[in-house]
Order: sequence, then C-alpha cells, then structure tokens
Amino acid sequence: EAGVTQSPTHLIKTRGQQATLRCSPISGHTSVYWYQQALGLGLQFLLWYDEGEERNRGNFPPRFSGRQFPNYSSELNVNALELEDSALYLCASSLGRRRINQPQHFGDGTRLSIL
Amino acid sequence: GNSVTQMEGPVTLSEEAFLTINCTYTATGYPSLFWYVQYPGEGLQLLLKATKADDKGSNKGFEATYRKETTSFHLEKGSVQVSDSAVYFCALSTGNQFYFGTGTSLTVIP
Repeated sequence: EAGVTQSPTHLIKTRGQQATLRCSPISGHTSVYWYQQALGLGLQFLLWYDEGEERNRGNFPPRFSGRQFPNYSSELNVNALELEDSALYLCASSLGRRRINQPQHFGDGTRLSIL
Repeated sequence: GNSVTQMEGPVTLSEEAFLTINCTYTATGYPSLFWYVQYPGEGLQLLLKATKADDKGSNKGFEATYRKETTSFHLEKGSVQVSDSAVYFCALSTGNQFYFGTGTSLTVIP
C-alpha cells in the first residue's frame, strides 16, 4: 500500500512569488492535514481538509490556503512568499472525521526555500 | 485547552543505555496518545499509540503507558541503538484535532 506522497521534494522560490505543494493521501483516507516545520520550531498546524471541505485552520495568515480534490488529494498554496516561509511542509492523512482518534500518517515533506 | 509538553532536548546517550523521554498532556475528554519518530530528512512515522487509560503501546523495543492519573505518556526503551538517533514527538488526539509536542532530539553514540 502506498503511503502519503508529497511533491515536489524541494522547491526554491524568491520573495513575493507563489508556491504550490501537493499531497496524495493513503488510499481510503479522506482527511488531509498540513503542517509547517520550521527549523527548531516543531510542528505548526496549518490546515485540515476532510471530504473536500476545510474543517479547521491554524494561526496562519490568509496567504496560506489550500483545497482538497474529489479524489482527496490536496494542494497547499502560499502566496506572496516571505523569507520566514522557508520550512519543511508536511502533509498527513487519516481515515477521516467520522473515525475519531485515528493516527495520522505523514509524507516525507516538501522543503520550501525562499531566497 | 489541549496541549502536550515534552522533555527538552537534545538527549545524548551511549549505545545500550536506558532511554526515557517525558511527555505530559492537558486534554478535555478522552484523548488518544501517540509517539512519532522523525529520522533525518524524512517525515514523521508513527511509533506507538494508546487509546485509553492504562493501555501500553509498544513497538521496536519502545514502550509508553497511558497514565490518566498523572496525565503522562513517557517513552522508554531499555537499550538504545545508534539507529534510534532521531527526533521523537509526543502527540494527542481529541476527535480529529492533533496536538504535537515540540520534539526531543536523541543522539546515540557508539
């Protein structure tokens, strides 16, 4: 069974540009979570999607947005990139909001570097 | 609110030493508790979990017991190996919301 896959592995952008990160969940999972892991800061929750709807978002500005497609894959978009957006962006999937307290399964992340 | 507090690192141990990484939590309701491990350059992997009080999760020689009376879920291993060097995250889940600790870096030296 394929795990959570994220693309691209690395992404280099300059300030002010826009970045799109992609995530494919484990087959059968309907929930996708996005996290930002900046150096030394642990995991910061960004967004949660389930069954195509945004269910919750963390304390990030509106230039961080995303969506979930009918096949449950997801995109994270970051507009007007700033230097402090440089981080590892992790996607996780789980069985969905109808199955509570299930573990999240993580991809290997997209390393976003802002020059 | 819900939160997880875990032991600050970094932790450095010699091979075959005993490991404890402390984790305490604050939660409403009846959370599930998890330990995740992150190896360099990779995402987080589920290491073990416990879904109710007094449950013991175990995997790869690691253990943690869900202690409701002390709101703790400490990670232990009797004899660490160099390959255990990684960052360890304690987490809790209430419903569909996850809360992660800040991570504890472990380095095991031969």
